[in-house]
Amino acid sequence: KQEVTQIPAALSVPEGENLVLNCSFTDSAIYNLQWFRQDPGKGLTSLLLIQSSQREQTSGRLNASLDKSSGRSTLYIAASQPGDSATYLCAVGDNAGKSTFGDGTTLTVKP
Amino acid sequence: DAGITQSPRHKVTETGTPVTLRCHQTENHRYMYWYRQDPGHGLRLIHYSYGVKDTDKGEVSDGYSVSRSKTEDFLLTLESATSSQTSVYFCAISVRGADYGYTFGSGTRLTVV
Repeated sequence: KQEVTQIPAALSVPEGENLVLNCSFTDSAIYNLQWFRQDPGKGLTSLLLIQSSQREQTSGRLNASLDKSSGRSTLYIAASQPGDSATYLCAVGDNAGKSTFGDGTTLTVKP
Repeated sequence: DAGITQSPRHKVTETGTPVTLRCHQTENHRYMYWYRQDPGHGLRLIHYSYGVKDTDKGEVSDGYSVSRSKTEDFLLTLESATSSQTSVYFCAISVRGADYGYTFGSGTRLTVV
């Protein structure tokens, strides 16, 4: 059974800092990995999707990397802003179309 | 949340009553999913569908049933609601399994009293 872990559970940084969120998984036979953002009381918004054959994806200030062999993915956020404050979740997809989610990292960016 | 709508957004119901949650999509995506989100447990898959009348169980399917008679609608039914089913329920859609990732609805907050 796939297990997905996100550490730390919470992170607080001052505005402008670059930061890295971590996601680890136990079974390296993944199909893809997706990073989401969730604001309090809201649904999940997709940020980046990395296929198993890819090493990284970029969108604006966000960069996600994937290392299947070590069972790790990182989400890099450059020049953080207060508007980046949210919970970030990673989801590891299998070839049956299902995904296993981590519990998320709650990020607070202080002005 | 363009293209995917959940209803109702909020519901309070009594223990033992049946409850049906609806997920409607306008994207004509083949795959649809129901997840529940609880503090300390993250998102857990309840049921999913890979086509009309084709459904399968997820990791927490006990006490839930689903139906998909049309591509655009995926219904989740709690046959006899219990307090342990108090949760936020999310529907998600996908173009073709995991190839293109998920798009989520806004969620339904269900309280069973």
